[in-house]
Amino acid sequence: AQSVTQLGSHVSVSEGALVLLRCNYSSSVPPYLFWYVQYPNQGLQLLLKYTSAATLVKGINGFEAEFKKSETSFHLTKPSAHMSDAAEYFCAVSASGGGADGLTFGKGTHLIIQP
Amino acid sequence: EPEVTQTPSHQVTQMGQEVILRCVPISNHLYFYWYRQILGQKVEFLVSFYNNEISEKSEIFDDQFSVERPDGSNFTLKIRSTKLEDSAMYFCASRGLGVSTDTQYFGPGTRLTVL
Repeated sequence: AQSVTQLGSHVSVSEGALVLLRCNYSSSVPPYLFWYVQYPNQGLQLLLKYTSAATLVKGINGFEAEFKKSETSFHLTKPSAHMSDAAEYFCAVSASGGGADGLTFGKGTHLIIQP
Repeated sequence: EPEVTQTPSHQVTQMGQEVILRCVPISNHLYFYWYRQILGQKVEFLVSFYNNEISEKSEIFDDQFSVERPDGSNFTLKIRSTKLEDSAMYFCASRGLGVSTDTQYFGPGTRLTVL
C-alpha cells in the first residue's frame, strides 16, 4: 500500500521568493511519484514525475523536485515564485508506471503568493 | 494537444436519483480512471478500467457505482441512487502507450451536487 503526506495545507511566499512544498511518501515497492497542480475551477495538470530515472526531475513552469529515497521525500521547489503559481498542488504516488494502478494523492498544499 | 473532456461541468440532482457522468478520454489511451474530490479534501481513487473491464476499485466504489465504455470514445460513471455524501468533484483520467505510459491525464471534472 502507498500513502502520501504533504506537510502544510497552506504555504505563503512572496513573489520572487523560493517555493518549497513538502511531500513524503510511503511505499512497499519502488514508487512512481508525481506532482499535479490544480488552478481554480480547473482539473489536475501534471507538473513533473519521477519514474526511477534521474533523481532530480524538472517539470513545467520552472518547477523541479528531488527524489530522496533515504528520506522518502519528493519535495517540490521553484527558485522564484510568480503570482501565476498560486494554486493547489498535489503530490501523488503509484506502485508502478504500468498497469491500472490508481494514484494515491496527498491532501494538497494551497500555495499563496504575496505581492 | 489531445485532452480528456468531461460533461457536464456541473450536475445538480436530488437524493436518490441516478446520475451518469461522461468522459471522453484521449483517443489512443487504453486505461481509464475515475477519481473524486470532496470539497476541501484530497483526490481519491475510485476505479480503473482496462480492456473493457474493471481492473481495480477502491472501497469507495461500492454497488451503487458502475462504469462503462459504451462505445469507442466515451467512458461513463453511473451512480445509481445518489446520496448527499456523493456531492463532490469527479475527475476522469486516462493513460496510454508511448513515451508517457506512466502518466495519467485528467479531465476538468464534473461537479456533482446532491440535494
